[in-house]
Amino acid sequence: DSGVTQTPKHLITATGQRVTLRCSPRSGDLSVYWYQQSLDQGLQFLIQYYNGEERAKGNILERFSAQQFPDLHSELNLSSLELGDSALYFCASSVAPRDQQFFGPGTRLTVL
Amino acid sequence: AQTVTQSQPEMSVQEAETVTLSCTYDTSESDYYLFWYKQPPSRQMILVIRQEAYKQQNATENRFSVNFQKAAKSFSLKISDSQLGDAAMYFCAYRSMEYGNKLVFGAGTILRVKS
Repeated sequence: DSGVTQTPKHLITATGQRVTLRCSPRSGDLSVYWYQQSLDQGLQFLIQYYNGEERAKGNILERFSAQQFPDLHSELNLSSLELGDSALYFCASSVAPRDQQFFGPGTRLTVL
Repeated sequence: AQTVTQSQPEMSVQEAETVTLSCTYDTSESDYYLFWYKQPPSRQMILVIRQEAYKQQNATENRFSVNFQKAAKSFSLKISDSQLGDAAMYFCAYRSMEYGNKLVFGAGTILRVKS
């Protein structure tokens, strides 16, 4: 158990819908990262937050957005869902940006 | 942009034998981190080993060791005395020290362990 929690574990929804994935970092970790693992794209970085501020963006679609709240938990919002958004979404956290990242168990999103 | 290449989609090893997984990367930076992550069927991402580029000594963690060749931009993982529990997908990853701290992953290598 890495100490990073993600909810829900599984999510099944329909095309066009909107979902929110939640991540609670390890106690004391200020930095949160979101990654997407899909068959087509492999494992790729989406976005990073540090102490509430967006720090880096990767291959994140405009339909996707994220934020980190004052209590340091983070949410990834996915809207206008398409079949291709079906993937495993990981959250990772670290104390500071240069420290080791610890991964949560992931949220499996299925878009039908 | 940095890239990571794992040229072996799948590897097999007999239990108790040794196997080496290959990884090459491309970067213009001189300082960075390299990692091997294990992803078992549970899908959890587990850090196996990490190497700091400025350290010449190859990292070792019990049965896992790396062969880091900085000039060749090569970072292979050797698993000794393979066990059934080693069966998983293994990802090589790169992390910059300068341009953000995201992990850049290779495509992965599926390791099968035969009893």
